[in-house]
Amino acid sequence: AQSVTQPDIHITVSEGASLELRCNYSYGATPYLFWYVQSPGQGLQLLLKYFSGDTLVQGIKGFEAEFKRSQSSFNLRKPSVHWSDAAEYFCAVAPLTGTASKLTFGTGTRLQVTL
Amino acid sequence: GAGVSQSPSNKVTEKGKDVELRCDPISGHTALYWYRQSLGQGLEFLIYFQGNSAPDKSGLPSDRFSAERTGGSVSTLTIQRTQQEDSAVYLCASSLEADGYTFGSGTRLTVV
Repeated sequence: AQSVTQPDIHITVSEGASLELRCNYSYGATPYLFWYVQSPGQGLQLLLKYFSGDTLVQGIKGFEAEFKRSQSSFNLRKPSVHWSDAAEYFCAVAPLTGTASKLTFGTGTRLQVTL
Repeated sequence: GAGVSQSPSNKVTEKGKDVELRCDPISGHTALYWYRQSLGQGLEFLIYFQGNSAPDKSGLPSDRFSAERTGGSVSTLTIQRTQQEDSAVYLCASSLEADGYTFGSGTRLTVV
């Protein structure tokens, strides 16, 4: 069965500093890969997704993620964090079946931004 | 609608009562999912509907939980004889293809 690991439960960065959130997955083949963000009291918003092709994916709000097949990783990055980025971030995978299938989520990383 | 709509946004219920949570997916989305997010926990898959296929109920935690999807659109998640451990945020999502998952804002359920 597929699984997703986000090893960092909580990360604190200063505003303006760079950010990298880690995500590793376990799956028999390359799955669909996603990053979602959840602000307090809100639902999940899609930041970016990877299916195939260029391994560096650009998303909304200045985020990007890089797929590394050899490491089974899909880490999220942002060059300069803004205070409004404080939220919880979830990595997720879905089978590469071509049709919709259930997402498996990591346990999330809570990002705190200090001014 | 433009997004996935869930109602109510908040629900407080007494232990032992039944509750119904509603999800209105994006029009035309064939797949609908329910997830549960407990305090300090990740997102736990509950049930998944895809078109006219039999739903994947593998994530339902007990037989007190059930869900239906009428007319391939609106879905209702029912929790019978609620327990305090059922307190959580229940999230619904819909999609047409594997790349189009859209989540609602959730229903926060509190069992007192």
